[in-house]
This record gives sequence, C-alpha cells and structure tokens, in this order.
Amino acid sequence: LAKTTQPISMDSYEGQEVNITCSHNNIATNDYITWYQQFPSQGPRFIIQGYKTKVTNEVASLFIPADRKSSTLSLPRVSLSDTAVYYCLVGGVTGGYNKLIFGAGTRLAVHP
Amino acid sequence: SAVISQKPSRDICQRGTSLTIQCQVDSQVTMMFWYRQQPGQSLTLIATANQGSEATYESGFVIDKFPISRPNLTFSTLTVSNMSPEDSSIYLCSVEAKGIILHNEQFFGPGTRLTVL
Repeated sequence: LAKTTQPISMDSYEGQEVNITCSHNNIATNDYITWYQQFPSQGPRFIIQGYKTKVTNEVASLFIPADRKSSTLSLPRVSLSDTAVYYCLVGGVTGGYNKLIFGAGTRLAVHP
Repeated sequence: SAVISQKPSRDICQRGTSLTIQCQVDSQVTMMFWYRQQPGQSLTLIATANQGSEATYESGFVIDKFPISRPNLTFSTLTVSNMSPEDSSIYLCSVEAKGIILHNEQFFGPGTRLTVL
C-alpha cells in the first residue's frame, strides 16, 4: 500500500478556504485516494474519494493531477467546526476487501 | 451507511487483567476491522475479522494478546489480554458495508477508551 505524506498541522481562520496537500509518489494503478476526517473523541469519518481529476461533494473537493502522485483536499469557507485531523489514504481492494492504512494526518485548527 | 456502537465506551483496568470490547452494527456487514489509536497518534490496524473465519492480524499483533470473535454478520469482540499500561489506548472497530461501491469507505464506531493502571 502506498505511503502518504502530508503536513503535520495547519492553521486557518473562519471563512477561509483550506487546501491540504498529500503526496503519494508510489501510488499504484488500481489505488484510490481517500480522505477521512476525525474529530476529538470520535472515530474517523469518510469525506471524499477520487481516482483522477476533480471530485466534489457537499463537504469538500478533491483535486488529483494527471500523474496522481499527489492530491489536494479543499475545504471551502471553513468554520470552527472543521477543526479536526484530516487523513489522506491511498489503496484499493486487496484480497477481496479494502484495508485502510492511516498516515500521521494533518491537524487543522480553525480560529475565529 | 452503517451505525456502529461499542461497549464499553471507556474503562479503567488493572495490570494483568483482560477486557473484552464489543462492537455492534445495525446492518449485516462482510468485513469488520479493529484499530488502536494511542493518544495523539494515528490509527493502527490490529486485525480484520471476516464472519466464519479466523481473524487476520497485522504485523506486531498476535491472537494470544488480542483474540477476536466474529460470531455473526453484525457483531464482533476484541479482547485485550493480560493488559499493561502500554495497552492504554482507544480501540475502534469499523465496518465495510456489503455491496459498497466506493473503495476505501469504512464506517467507524465511537471507540473504547482504555486506561490500564
């Protein structure tokens, strides 16, 4: 499974757009790129997934360049409630199921 | 989606004892996973539990220390055996729903916070 590298922490202010970039130089052809969000005292929550180009949902956007060696999670107009740890994962179905390997994550702090 | 509950939500245990953590899902699922998250750290996969077969353990985790049961498609238990303070952690279960169309999507329980004295 491809290893990921992302910033340890980021700070932002309410109303700003936040972009968190993740490097995954060894991504395999059948790997998908997935982002999870974890609030304190809760389990991680799936927020977005993509294979290439751009994916957008009600929570975030995910930008993936053509070489797929990196990806950027974009959170529009963050609020205090977006303060959380964000994990970038890459992988796919192996042996009939998806095994998630979490990296260190990015601790995002949103300030008033 | 799937709703997952864990029991207990937290516990304080004495060194040398064992604790069994329960994970209940509101729908039938194929795969269940157990993770450990030490304070301020990321999640580490302990094992994967498929109903009707023995759990598959990740490197560094063994069945004698973390026996797992998976008696049906909605329930699993993880036992932390012969505990030491180093086992103090949050233990989370997750599920991969049947018929998922999104790769790498799992639903996580709220976790069990274990403190070993």
